[in-house]
Formats: sequence, C-alpha cells, structure tokens
Amino acid sequence: SAVISQKPSRDICQRGTSLTIQCQVDSQVTMMFWYRQQPGQSLTLIATANQGSEATYESGFVIDKFPISRPNLTFSTLTVSNMSPEDSSIYLCSVEREGGYTFGSGTRLTVV
Amino acid sequence: AQTVTQSQPEMSVQEAETVTLSCTYDTSENNYYLFWYKQPPSRQMILVIRQEAYKQQNATENRFSVNFQKAAKSFSLKISDSQLGDTAMYFCAFMIGTYKYIFGTGTRLKVLA
Repeated sequence: SAVISQKPSRDICQRGTSLTIQCQVDSQVTMMFWYRQQPGQSLTLIATANQGSEATYESGFVIDKFPISRPNLTFSTLTVSNMSPEDSSIYLCSVEREGGYTFGSGTRLTVV
Repeated sequence: AQTVTQSQPEMSVQEAETVTLSCTYDTSENNYYLFWYKQPPSRQMILVIRQEAYKQQNATENRFSVNFQKAAKSFSLKISDSQLGDTAMYFCAFMIGTYKYIFGTGTRLKVLA
C-alpha cells in the first residue's frame, strides 16, 4: 500500500494564525483527499485536490479558510487559515490504493 | 440523506473470543462500497475489509469477516480470535461515486487480556 508522510504530526497554534499541513506520497496519485476529524467525531471530507486544477470543496468548507495546493502528483498542502478554537481537530490526507484508501497518520491541531 | 450508524460507541472482548461490531447505513444508491477501517492510537486509518454492494458473498480477510445484509442495509464486522492488537477505534463507511466516503462515528473496541 502507499506510504503517506504527513507533517507536522501535531501543533498548538494561536488563534488568528494559519498552519500549513503537508502530505507527501511515495508514488504518483491523481487525487489526494483532505479530511478533518473533530474530537469524538468521524472523518469529514474537506476537499479533493487534483494536480493542475483547483481543489473541489465539500459543503461547509471554503477555499479562503482551507486553501489547498497540489503542485505535483506526489504532494499536497492544506492550510488552515485564521484559526479559531473550533478548528482544533485532526487533519488527515488520504489517497486511493488497492481498493481502499490509505490515510496519513494525521496532524493534531490545537488552537488556543 | 446518506448516513452510517454505529450504535455501539464502546465494546470489549476477551482475548481469543469473537466480537461483532454493528453498522447500518442509509442510501438510495444501488451501487456502492462498504468498508471497515481500524484506527489505532497512532491515528493511522487502516483498511480492514471491503465489500462491494453488488456481491452477495460476504467478504473475509483472515480473522475478519462481514455479515452484509443489503436489504436491511446492515454491514457488521466479526472479529474472530481477538488479539490485543485489535484494540482500536473501528469505523464503518460506505463510498458512493468515485471517492466520497460517508463514515460512521466509530466503535471503540478494547481487547482484554
């Protein structure tokens, strides 16, 4: 299965600041997915990142708040902008592999 | 609305015993995929087993098997010969279209020595 390296693994940030999360895959993939897992909740898809085009956002998520870059077929970033405590979550990237999806280990973000 | 319900927030089982985790879902789609994911404390999401909705035969993967009842929209996971390493959060999910997942809220399973 694909190996996904996601960083940082965790961070504590001040409200009003921004954090960029990186996701590196060990092989080329067409689509990369960004999920959020709020405390005690399941994963929620934020957006799908295709290389060479703008990301597609799910309902309730907007580009100004969660800008995404996809400069090549193995890398993507998700930025959480102008953070508030409500943004405290685990953020995961994911790619499709072998009939399912492989997830990065996640970034635990705490906004204080 | 498409939903996944896992009605057991927490479960425990003795090592070497068998446990079944329940999952029900709701969708008007006819073609979809069902998954069970395992999330250990490391937070890595690990695919446990997958079932295509058009297949009647229940999927199995070593000690893991499912009971898929399409008419009832039920997709339970049975873990046989439970091991301490099975302790994790388990998520049921289904996928429609090419990639969109709908996840349940998870069942926390603890295997007791």
